[in-house]
Amino acid sequence: GQNIDQPTEMTATEGAIVQINCTYQTSGFNGLFWYQQHAGEAPTFLSYNVLDGLEEKGRFSSFLSRSKGYSYLLLKELQMKDSASYLCALRNSNYQLIWGAGTKLIIKP
Amino acid sequence: ETGVTQTPRHLVMGMTNKKSLKCEQHLGHNAMYWYKQSAKKPLELMFVYSLEERVENNSVPSRFSPECPNSSHLFLHLHTLQPEDSALYLCASSQSPTGDGAGELFFGEGSRLTVL
Repeated sequence: GQNIDQPTEMTATEGAIVQINCTYQTSGFNGLFWYQQHAGEAPTFLSYNVLDGLEEKGRFSSFLSRSKGYSYLLLKELQMKDSASYLCALRNSNYQLIWGAGTKLIIKP
Repeated sequence: ETGVTQTPRHLVMGMTNKKSLKCEQHLGHNAMYWYKQSAKKPLELMFVYSLEERVENNSVPSRFSPECPNSSHLFLHLHTLQPEDSALYLCASSQSPTGDGAGELFFGEGSRLTVL
């Protein structure tokens, strides 16, 4: 089968670093995505990993290990505006997206 | 502004009403999608159109009827809905994921539907 797990909610402090994990099981793999969704707004694309390793984009980085079925999104120098839900999505060999339920990140001053 | 516009943003309807959701993309993409988003649940893919042809229909009840008249416009026609259909309906577009690049989705702001 195919499924994705990510924590339901996380809390972090402004200025700190937080890592949001995503584990998955799939019979075929064609990339892993992270999206950010602020309350009441559209999800927006953050990152895409298809090869193992770390992809860095400013304060945000995304890591993938295909052998472990594992990805994480790392957010550095947290700002209040980073309070949002973060969605992990796997693209399988049929180019279908399998979505996690999202991780609600709460940033405290 | 994501380049994908949805109307209406909010809709309240009775179970016997007929209404339509509209989506328009200004990105030149060749695929469009309807998703249902319910609280604390993963996004549920409803329909996919690629080059105006429906390529995926995920066992969606017939009370939801999609229409894609051209590559820039997508509709979701609603009739005799149930209260459990209340949710956020998101439209998205992308370039074909089988081509170059990630083929990431660009979402509209969504239409918040309440069925009484």
